[in-house]
Amino acid sequence: QKEVEQNSGPLSVPEGAIASLNCTYSDRGSQSFFWYRQYSGKSPELIMFIYSNGDKEDGRFTAQLNKASQYVSLLIRDSQPSDSATYLCAVAGTSGTYKYIFGTGTRLKVLA
Amino acid sequence: SQTIHQWPATLVQPVGSPLSLECTVEGTSNPNLYWYRQAAGRGLQLLFYSVGIGQISSEVPQNLSASRPQDRQFILSSKKLLLSDSGFYLCAWSRGLAGGPGEQYFGPGTRLTVT
Repeated sequence: QKEVEQNSGPLSVPEGAIASLNCTYSDRGSQSFFWYRQYSGKSPELIMFIYSNGDKEDGRFTAQLNKASQYVSLLIRDSQPSDSATYLCAVAGTSGTYKYIFGTGTRLKVLA
Repeated sequence: SQTIHQWPATLVQPVGSPLSLECTVEGTSNPNLYWYRQAAGRGLQLLFYSVGIGQISSEVPQNLSASRPQDRQFILSSKKLLLSDSGFYLCAWSRGLAGGPGEQYFGPGTRLTVT
């Protein structure tokens, strides 16, 4: 059973639309939750982190965490072609460790 | 501000040759350090992590090893490379928070091709 699951996509949205990316995790003891953006051939870039239930907004990005449902999501408003990338969900603090577990990523395509 | 360096950026090595990849972090002290591998089109595989000098946790057996000779230096090594060792190697650091792991930041990566 995968510890962090994401739909691999591709998720295609038109320019200006809202892109919604989802992630589920299996360990209820997880403490920290992250979203990374990875362009092809580049290293992952941290774009959002969230530690408590609810929503967290930063510019065009909103992260949502529901620990009861073991669910994390990322909303990207006013999507731009430059947002086209693979988005990785990561969960940390499982089993009381400093390990970070990554999903396999969702490929997002924003169509101009 | 903090900066993480990795070198070399690209490497082509024959099967059976040794490997040494280096990672250093600037602008922070006592970071948690990580090595990941990403095979082509795949997710990130955690290889090793370290929460302090001399403390290395291994997630992957086989022919890789890691060392942390200084607080902000993390080295990934192999005595004999396998074809399956090809991939994108990423070093990362994080600062531990009182409540658990904090944000993790990645270096630029080393692309290794074993021929």
